[in-house]
Amino acid sequence: GQQVMQIPQYQHVQEGEDFTTYCNSSTTLSNIQWYKQRPGGHPVFLIQLVKSGEVKKQKRLTFQFGEAKKNSSLHITATQTTDVGTYFCAGDIVTGANSKLTFGKGITLSVRP
Amino acid sequence: DAGVIQSPRHEVTEMGQEVTLRCKPISGHNSLFWYRQTMMRGLELLIYFNNNVPIDDSGMPEDRFSAKMPNASFSTLKIQPSEPRDSAVYFCASSSTSGRPGRELFFGEGSRLTVL
Repeated sequence: GQQVMQIPQYQHVQEGEDFTTYCNSSTTLSNIQWYKQRPGGHPVFLIQLVKSGEVKKQKRLTFQFGEAKKNSSLHITATQTTDVGTYFCAGDIVTGANSKLTFGKGITLSVRP
Repeated sequence: DAGVIQSPRHEVTEMGQEVTLRCKPISGHNSLFWYRQTMMRGLELLIYFNNNVPIDDSGMPEDRFSAKMPNASFSTLKIQPSEPRDSAVYFCASSSTSGRPGRELFFGEGSRLTVL
C-alpha cells in the first residue's frame, strides 16, 4: 500500500498567507525529495534532504527532514500566485540492495490573488 | 542540454489498439523510470531500469503492459491491447546514480493517453 502519505490533497490560501504541508512515511527513509508540478506540466525537482533534522531553504520555501527520517515538511512564506501547483514528496526506501523512490499523492495548492 | 524527450505528447486511440510510448533519457543518465499519473492514483511507478536492465517491474499493471530499454538512449512502454482504464499521463524520468545518496529525477513532459 501507499507508504508515503500527503494529507490533505488540496489546500487553498489567500495570497500573502503562509502555507505548510507535511509528508509522512511508514518506514525510515534514506532521503526525501520534493517536486513541484505546475498545472499541465511535469514534476520538477526542488530539493533533496538526506540528514536527520536537516533544514534547507530556497527563497520563500523551507524544507525540513524529521529527526526519525520518517517525515518531512514544506513551508512557504507569504504565498504568491506563482506558487500554484502540486507539491509531491518522494521518499527513498531502501530494501536490500535496491532503493525505491515512492511518491506521495501530492498536495495541490491554489492561491487566491 | 536536451531534457528527457517523450513521444507522442498526446495519443487518442480506440480500445483494443496497441499503444507505444517512447522515451529518450538525458545523455549520461543510467536510470530510467516509467510513471503513470491519474487523479485517482497519483504518480505510480510502473518500472525502472538501471543500466538498461529492468530492476523493478512490480508496478506494471498486468501482462498487457511491457517495457523495453534496448540501449542507453531509448526506451519504450507498450500497451497491447489498450483499455479505457489505461487513460492517463505517462511520464518517463531519468537519473544518474553517480554514487552520491539519492538521485533526483528529471521528468519528460509526459504522454497523455486517451483510450476510447
